[in-house]
Amino acid sequence: QVQLQESGPGLVKPSETLSLTCTVSGYSISSAYYWGWIRQPPGKGLEWVGSIYRGGSTYSNPSLKSRVTISLDTSKDQFSLKLTSVTAADTAVYYCARPRVGHWFDPWGQGTLVTVSS
Amino acid sequence: QTVVTQEPSFSVSPGGTVTLTCGLSSGSVSTSYYPSWYQQTPGHAPRTLIYNTNIRSSGVPDRFSGSILGNKAALTITGAQAEDECDYHCVLYMGSGIHWVFGGGTKLTVL
Repeated sequence: QVQLQESGPGLVKPSETLSLTCTVSGYSISSAYYWGWIRQPPGKGLEWVGSIYRGGSTYSNPSLKSRVTISLDTSKDQFSLKLTSVTAADTAVYYCARPRVGHWFDPWGQGTLVTVSS
Repeated sequence: QTVVTQEPSFSVSPGGTVTLTCGLSSGSVSTSYYPSWYQQTPGHAPRTLIYNTNIRSSGVPDRFSGSILGNKAALTITGAQAEDECDYHCVLYMGSGIHWVFGGGTKLTVL
């Protein structure tokens, strides 16, 4: 059974970099076509943040411009998210998920709340 | 800017039928957008209900069904139960560039 688990600091200061890691268990990360990050601000809807493909290509939400970096570590079955120059608007629960062939997401990690505050 | 629209809230009586929709601010939703639906209870991660327009995910009760109705994707719950009271999210695949756009979610009340 594939399971995903997010980890990282729960508090980040404005203008600093948010860094999160998703650890995949029960599955080899190199076997999937792509992996992704999704976030949900408190009380709001979901937002696709970005995805990384097996070959290393990455794509991110244009609304986040060039602040997003996603990387793979196949030796640890992990993938990571870095979001630079954060503001309070980046406060959200961040989920990692596996996009499936057919363009849906499953499974999801349990999510981790990241608060941007000084 | 592409906006995916969902009803902010909806209400259904226990045992009743409700249809939630997922549309585009400009244009029509078709199967080419691979609409998928997720159920989310407070404090929990979303759970996949429907993918590829109308395929139920493993373990999802058959009272949940997906379709294209007119120019929107639709999630229909037939015989709503109290446990169905939660948030429902849809997402559309936009292809290269934007990739995925989620709707704002619908809060369903069963009363």
